[in-house]
Amino acid sequence: AQSVAQPEDQVNVAEGNPLTVKCTYSVSGNPYLFWYVQYPNRGLQFLLKYITGDNLVKGSYGFEAEFNKSQTSFHLKKPSALVSDSALYFCAVRATNDYKLSFGAGTTVTVRA
Amino acid sequence: SAVISQKPSRDICQRGTSLTIQCQVDSQVTMMFWYRQQPGQSLTLIATANQGSEATYESGFVIDKFPISRPNLTFSTLTVSNMSPEDSSIYLCSVEGLAGAGEQFFGPGTRLTVL
Repeated sequence: AQSVAQPEDQVNVAEGNPLTVKCTYSVSGNPYLFWYVQYPNRGLQFLLKYITGDNLVKGSYGFEAEFNKSQTSFHLKKPSALVSDSALYFCAVRATNDYKLSFGAGTTVTVRA
Repeated sequence: SAVISQKPSRDICQRGTSLTIQCQVDSQVTMMFWYRQQPGQSLTLIATANQGSEATYESGFVIDKFPISRPNLTFSTLTVSNMSPEDSSIYLCSVEGLAGAGEQFFGPGTRLTVL
């Protein structure tokens, strides 16, 4: 079985400050890891993924995430948050030999001006 | 990435009725997925729909309640049958990206409210 934990329901930061959204995972074998963002009344938008290679992956809108195998983590980061980054963020995992995605519970990010 | 559209975008339905949600993709895809997102919760996979075969349902979901059609490589429908207020959710379809890339791309969702 595979699973994802997002330990924080909410993250609040001031605009211009660094933003971190935490994610840990459990999967058999090597993982494929993903971050998605959901704006109000919108579908999910793909942000970035880790498949293999460099542990630091860069994605859309200035986001990046670092894969840490020993800690089974894939935290999402942005050096300088914008008010427009306020949204619901989901981490997801799948095993390399499976097509099914498992999602975390989601973290609501609020960036205050 | 694929462009995915869903119809309707939202609906309000009466208890005991059924609603069919359509998902259209702008390119041919092998696998399509249907998810449910209950209010304030994460996404749960309902079933996987492959063209030309029966859909594969996840634990807790059954064909009688959520029949799925997949008549071709660009289209699928999900029906929510005999609805109750507990079926009030956002229903999303998704497709896999390029082979081997791993990510899924999602439609805008259908927001269903059952009274």
